[in-house]
Amino acid sequence: QKEVEQNSGPLSVPEGAIASLNCTYSDRGSQSFFWYRQYSGKSPELIMFIYSNGDKEDGRFTAQLNKASQYVSLLIRDSQPSDSATYLCAVNNMNRDDKIIFGKGTRLHILP
Amino acid sequence: GAGVSQTPSNKVTEKGKYVELRCDPISGHTALYWYRQSLGQGPEFLIYFQGTGAADDSGLPNDRFFAVRPEGSVSTLKIQRTERGDSAVYLCASSLTISGHSYNEQFFGPGTRLTVL
Repeated sequence: QKEVEQNSGPLSVPEGAIASLNCTYSDRGSQSFFWYRQYSGKSPELIMFIYSNGDKEDGRFTAQLNKASQYVSLLIRDSQPSDSATYLCAVNNMNRDDKIIFGKGTRLHILP
Repeated sequence: GAGVSQTPSNKVTEKGKYVELRCDPISGHTALYWYRQSLGQGPEFLIYFQGTGAADDSGLPNDRFFAVRPEGSVSTLKIQRTERGDSAVYLCASSLTISGHSYNEQFFGPGTRLTVL
């Protein structure tokens, strides 16, 4: 079992709709959870981090964490064409080491 | 500079050659990470430096890969006897590690695209 799993997509969402991206992880001791956005040919950029159960909102983005289910998600409201990118989920267990483990990413395509 | 820089941006080499990839982190960032990203995959951890020392090199795939950070700033990833399977984008990231904090944002450089013919 991979440590961080994501559906590779592509996920196609109409402009203005809510895009929902999901991620599961295997290390129950994971404490920090990150969502990175990566445009084609570019490097990843951090858009959200969360380390408490529940929801965390930042503008159009909401990260949701459920440690019992080992599940983290990212919601993008009012999706824009500029949101089209690959979204990488990443987790860290600082009790184990300082590594951040990335998933393969989900390709999101916003349909104009 | 304001961000993480990496040189060269592209490197094409022949199988069996030696290559060096350079990373210049954000000034003052004590932690430096190297990742490798193949097409359609997420970044794969290679090695992590805290200051001058390699705190975790468990991601290096074999002994052809080596990295140094002699003065705690610039880092060089060295690959000996390159193989076609080494072709990937090599990403460097740095962070301002603060003891006791559970979160340290990593800032990525633009990457070096390595192609081994």
